Amino acid sequence: EAAVTQSPRNKVTVTGGNVTLSCRQTNSHNYMYWYRQDTGHGLRLIHYSYGAGNLQIGDVPDGYKATRTTQEDFFLLLELASPSQTSLYFCASSGGLGGYEQYFGPGTRLTVL
Amino acid sequence: GDSVTQMQGQVTLSEDDFLFINCTYSTTWYPTLFWYVQYPGEGPQLLLKVTTANNKGISRGFEATYDKGTTSFHLQKASVQESDSAVYYCVLGANSGTYQRFGTGTKLQVVP
Repeated sequence: EAAVTQSPRNKVTVTGGNVTLSCRQTNSHNYMYWYRQDTGHGLRLIHYSYGAGNLQIGDVPDGYKATRTTQEDFFLLLELASPSQTSLYFCASSGGLGGYEQYFGPGTRLTVL
Repeated sequence: GDSVTQMQGQVTLSEDDFLFINCTYSTTWYPTLFWYVQYPGEGPQLLLKVTTANNKGISRGFEATYDKGTTSFHLQKASVQESDSAVYYCVLGANSGTYQRFGTGTKLQVVP
């Protein structure tokens, strides 16, 4: 029983399209994160949240919105997708910030044509 | 602000070779240092965690240490196997109330 799940696992859209990536965690963690992974850049933090209704910006937030609706659910929104947002997206959760292990989902591969 | 640097982008070794990966970090707070491993098609997972209290971590044949003087931390394994082929990330956490910083990753390929 995976503790962090993501959907969809693969998504193809066109430039200007509207995309929502979903993440659910069953770890009862306060913190949830959205990362993108690109060759040469590793994992880069887009947004994170420490509870329902809370949103914090990470290192690469431009072009992305996010919303935490419950403790379990965190969504990443691309309202006008661009080819530069083609990437592998990971969601993670943790019990705290600096000293806490993060638990990652399996990833969503997004292609923007 | 906090930062971590991981210079080795790719490492190719033969089975039974010694592995050594090095990262440097910068923070004005007490650090917690992590190593995550990512196997193909999966998300990253924790391999080791090192704090100023324990100085060293050992798991699955891997050993992680850190050097406060040079603000560096290391991952090593005496004898790698083909199954160790993966991407290894060094990660800096600090008790500064901010999020963790990931290195850019080292892709390890172990050839038979």
